[in-house]
Amino acid sequence: QVQLVQSGAEVKKPGASVRVSCKASGYIFTNDAIHWLRQAPGQSLEWVGWINTDNGITKYSEKFQGRVTITRDTSANTAYMELSSLRSEDTAMFYCARETYYYGSWGQGTLVTVSS
Amino acid sequence: DIVMTQSPESLTVSLGERATINCKSSQTILYSNNKNYLAWYQQKPGQPPKLLISWASTRESGVPDRFSGSGSGTDFTLTISGLQAEDVAVYYCHHYYSTPWTFGQGTKVEIK
Repeated sequence: QVQLVQSGAEVKKPGASVRVSCKASGYIFTNDAIHWLRQAPGQSLEWVGWINTDNGITKYSEKFQGRVTITRDTSANTAYMELSSLRSEDTAMFYCARETYYYGSWGQGTLVTVSS
Repeated sequence: DIVMTQSPESLTVSLGERATINCKSSQTILYSNNKNYLAWYQQKPGQPPKLLISWASTRESGVPDRFSGSGSGTDFTLTISGLQAEDVAVYYCHHYYSTPWTFGQGTKVEIK
């Protein structure tokens, strides 16, 4: 079955960077794009960006442009999201999701806490 | 950006009764292929969202048939016919018509 397994919770200081991984299994990794989404506590979901896992092309939300980098390692069936210049409003759960137009499969989420 | 507006923000329904959630997009999400690029998700506390409905009305495999989606263009509805205790959750609509993909603000469903 399709699984997306994300790396563990992170605690970072303001201004630091965080890198979250998303390991895929149960399907051909390069067939479907991986998206990243942010969900602040008690809030809705916000699209961060996506990567074409076949050719590595990325697209980012304007809100995160310049602070986010999404990459992938096809040999490891893993996608990564790096977010820099962290601020308190980045304290949130970050999810990766497999795109088949909509989001059919999700990672379990990675809690990123930004605190001095 | 396409703005997705859900109503109501919260809903309290008796067991076995119907729950209706509305979602309105700020522009049409009906593509030229006659498909509505809209999905519904259910999110329970401490869990990631779970896909219920795609293409506005196609139920995901394994989703109980008490969940149904309808609508076209800019106005959509998720209906839970015969609410069960395990349906307590937050429900989100989501368009995948164009970037940036956006979500509604969510509707919290509780038992009366």
